[in-house]
Amino acid sequence: SQQGEEDPQALSIQEGENATMNCSYKTSINNLQWYRQNSGRGLVHLILIRSNEREKHSGRLRVTLDTSKKSSSLLITASRAADTASYFCATDASSYKLIFGSGTRLLVRP
Amino acid sequence: DAGVIQSPRHEVTEMGQEVTLRCKPISGHNSLFWYRQTMMRGLELLIYFNNNVPIDDSGMPEDRFSAKMPNASFSTLKIQPSEPRDSAVYFCASIQGSTDTQYFGPGTRLTVL
Repeated sequence: SQQGEEDPQALSIQEGENATMNCSYKTSINNLQWYRQNSGRGLVHLILIRSNEREKHSGRLRVTLDTSKKSSSLLITASRAADTASYFCATDASSYKLIFGSGTRLLVRP
Repeated sequence: DAGVIQSPRHEVTEMGQEVTLRCKPISGHNSLFWYRQTMMRGLELLIYFNNNVPIDDSGMPEDRFSAKMPNASFSTLKIQPSEPRDSAVYFCASIQGSTDTQYFGPGTRLTVL
């Protein structure tokens, strides 16, 4: 079964708005990563947050991690049409193995 | 730098045929992963190689699937015989050393008729 589950499954927003996606997982982790997948393309790594971190920023991205609730959120501020993609969280099931969630499909309307 | 390269990008074949997917990892990366992505099951790890050695093949669905990595710059995933339920997008990813970030190729979209 999948380790991470994203919520919502799909999100549609207007350009300029903020987009928030959530990820819940089941077991203890060392780190959690977020990846983006544009239609018909491979996944691209966005950001990694370690279990001892609570928040991390990268450009317009902000990730939070709550290990007590086994959840993470990805916030994209001031969204652009180019942010339209699917977003996946991935947790480390072992030293090399990542378990990917089911993804959130984000549509940013111009 | 060139990223992970996969070929072919699209493959359409008939049930029972052999299919070979190819991957060239990023130069210097010593670990390689094969994934399969479907709407129903999401992204699943099929097999993991480290320094060209298969470490974990527990995700390989059945004996019809096999993977090799003859050298650090090339890997293949073979399906023989192929079945319609093998239709999916197959991704290859690589990492360097013990880092956590995986670099994905563009994928091969396989359709088995």
